[in-house]
Amino acid sequence: EAQVTQNPRYLITVTGKKLTVTCSQNMNHEYMSWYRQDPGLGLRQIYYSMNVEVTDKGDVPEGYKVSRKEKRNFPLILESPSPNQTSLYFCASSSSPAVGGYTFGSGTRLTVV
Amino acid sequence: AQKITQTQPGMFVQEKEAVTLDCTYDTSDPSYGLFWYKQPSSGEMIFLIYQGSYDQQNATEGRYSLNFQKARKSANLVISASQLGDSAMYFCAMREGLRGAQKLVFGQGTRLTINP
Repeated sequence: EAQVTQNPRYLITVTGKKLTVTCSQNMNHEYMSWYRQDPGLGLRQIYYSMNVEVTDKGDVPEGYKVSRKEKRNFPLILESPSPNQTSLYFCASSSSPAVGGYTFGSGTRLTVV
Repeated sequence: AQKITQTQPGMFVQEKEAVTLDCTYDTSDPSYGLFWYKQPSSGEMIFLIYQGSYDQQNATEGRYSLNFQKARKSANLVISASQLGDSAMYFCAMREGLRGAQKLVFGQGTRLTINP
């Protein structure tokens, strides 16, 4: 089954404790992105990757890091999480050109206390 | 400026009625794509329908259709014969450029509630 797999689904952590949210896709897509969703703001892009070793900032990259060492994986790293990073996070992938749907993971609900 | 605007924070509709969710967009790129996603209470993002800027016909997928009015820059989602399971958050999104796959810009969303 074609899918984007995110882990974990839920995470509660404390301020400053480094964490990684994993994302993996099995569709051989070139493009992968991370978004965060906050009430009233819709989804905003954090980082994206156009292919292996090619990443760039989205609209809200502060406090996040990513890497793309393999085509299928695109982890999101919070080196020192803060409460304002409490959010619902989505990983998404797409082929090029992106006609049709982007495929989203199931989401990770992160709470930083 | 907002690139995608959804002016209806919430809508309430009777079951079996048709419903239109509004979406206007702003771009100067002649090539773009418009998407609608559904987010049920479980949280996942479900792709519903896609319209390319050069598509001559309005997109349709089962009970979903996209009312694409290019001159008005609007891309409203129409759901025919609504069902209780249609209750969810709905997002309109845009990709700019034919190869601009790296970014979808989302609206704020509309929460649709279907009443029995």
